[in-house]
Amino acid sequence: DVKVTQSSRYLVKRTGEKVFLECVQDMDHENMFWYRQDPGLGLRLIYFSYDVKMKEKGDIPEGYSVSREKKERFSLILESASTNQTSMYLCASSSRDRVNQPQHFGDGTRLSIL
Amino acid sequence: AQSVAQPEDQVNVAEGNPLTVKCTYSVSGNPYLFWYVQYPNRGLQFLLKYITGDNLVKGSYGFEAEFNKSQTSFHLKKPSALVSDSALYFCAVRGSPNFNKFYFGSGTKLNVKP
Repeated sequence: DVKVTQSSRYLVKRTGEKVFLECVQDMDHENMFWYRQDPGLGLRLIYFSYDVKMKEKGDIPEGYSVSREKKERFSLILESASTNQTSMYLCASSSRDRVNQPQHFGDGTRLSIL
Repeated sequence: AQSVAQPEDQVNVAEGNPLTVKCTYSVSGNPYLFWYVQYPNRGLQFLLKYITGDNLVKGSYGFEAEFNKSQTSFHLKKPSALVSDSALYFCAVRGSPNFNKFYFGSGTKLNVKP
């Protein structure tokens, strides 16, 4: 089974801190994604990556950056955390070539910015 | 443009009754459609997919989904609901011709009452 592991389930940080959210997948997937989920707003795509060192902006990239130095790892960075970034963050991965396969999600990181 | 619509924010059903969670989609080309379930403070879990072939797709936990090309719908169904089915359900479509992205509906909260 595909396993997508997010480094923290819960995280509390302070305004202005630089925050790193880490995600690792074990299925050799080319594509990796970061979403945030807020009540009433569904899933919103922040960034995705379709290969090592490649990234594309999603729908809400402002205030975030990403890093993909290795195929299995995709990091989301909050450069200077703000209270409006308090949210549930979900990482996902998928195969680029097997288009009939779904995305696989981690368990999420619930991030609170104080 | 690709999109997915889940017209109901919430569906209420009594235990033992059949349930339907609605989804309509818009995509160019052949649709690759998916249903996911999300329990509180967890990530999304894959339930089932439609790729091609039979219009009735069977998935995990007794769920099935009916694909209707003329109505561009992919409704999730279960013949007999359980209280433990109470969760948030998301419909998704894989993008076309850019298969790297997925498009999600806004989610439907299913409440199954004893």
